[in-house]
Amino acid sequence: ELKVEQNPLFLSMQEGKNYTIYCNYSTTSDRLYWYRQDPGKSLESLFVLLSNGAVKQEGRLMASLDTKARLSTLHITAAVHDLSATYFCAVGPSSGTYKYIFGTGTRLKVLA
Amino acid sequence: DVKVTQSSRYLVKRTGEKVFLECVQDMDHENMFWYRQDPGLGLRLIYFSYDVKMKEKGDIPEGYSVSREKKERFSLILESASTNQTSMYLCASSWTSGSRLRYEQYFGPGTRLTVT
Repeated sequence: ELKVEQNPLFLSMQEGKNYTIYCNYSTTSDRLYWYRQDPGKSLESLFVLLSNGAVKQEGRLMASLDTKARLSTLHITAAVHDLSATYFCAVGPSSGTYKYIFGTGTRLKVLA
Repeated sequence: DVKVTQSSRYLVKRTGEKVFLECVQDMDHENMFWYRQDPGLGLRLIYFSYDVKMKEKGDIPEGYSVSREKKERFSLILESASTNQTSMYLCASSWTSGSRLRYEQYFGPGTRLTVT
């Protein structure tokens, strides 16, 4: 069974600091997605990573994918309060399935 | 811009009622999905559909059914609502193949359902 694990589950950080969220998955996949969810809202697509070594950046967020290690990272640079949200990674779909498997989410709180 | 809309943002129903949640997407996506999201449990797939009239069970289909009569519309039906179906319901859609290689899912705004 494909599993996607994120850590940490909760992250409280000061503004201006850097941190990384990790997403490990248990089977071969070359499609990895990052989403953001604000409280009470739906999921918004942040990054789509489609190959080993892919790196995408948007503002203070940078995502990367290592398919050999089955690991994706979401790096936060010089955090600001507006980045406070829950971040999900998701894997798939792979051959033979239409399913996307989501991690449990990382709840990020950036303190002023 | 891709748009996925859901019929209601908030819904309150009584135990035993039949409940319909509607989802419509405007980008000709082949795939549509229904998830429920609960605190501490993340997103759990209820059903998905990869074509008109085609459906597959997800991880938690019990107590739910779906209907996809048109490509743009995917309905989730709670046959007899129960209090443990109180949740946030999210609809999503995505492409399958061809040159549309991104495959990301686009989510609707969600329906917060309360069953009393």
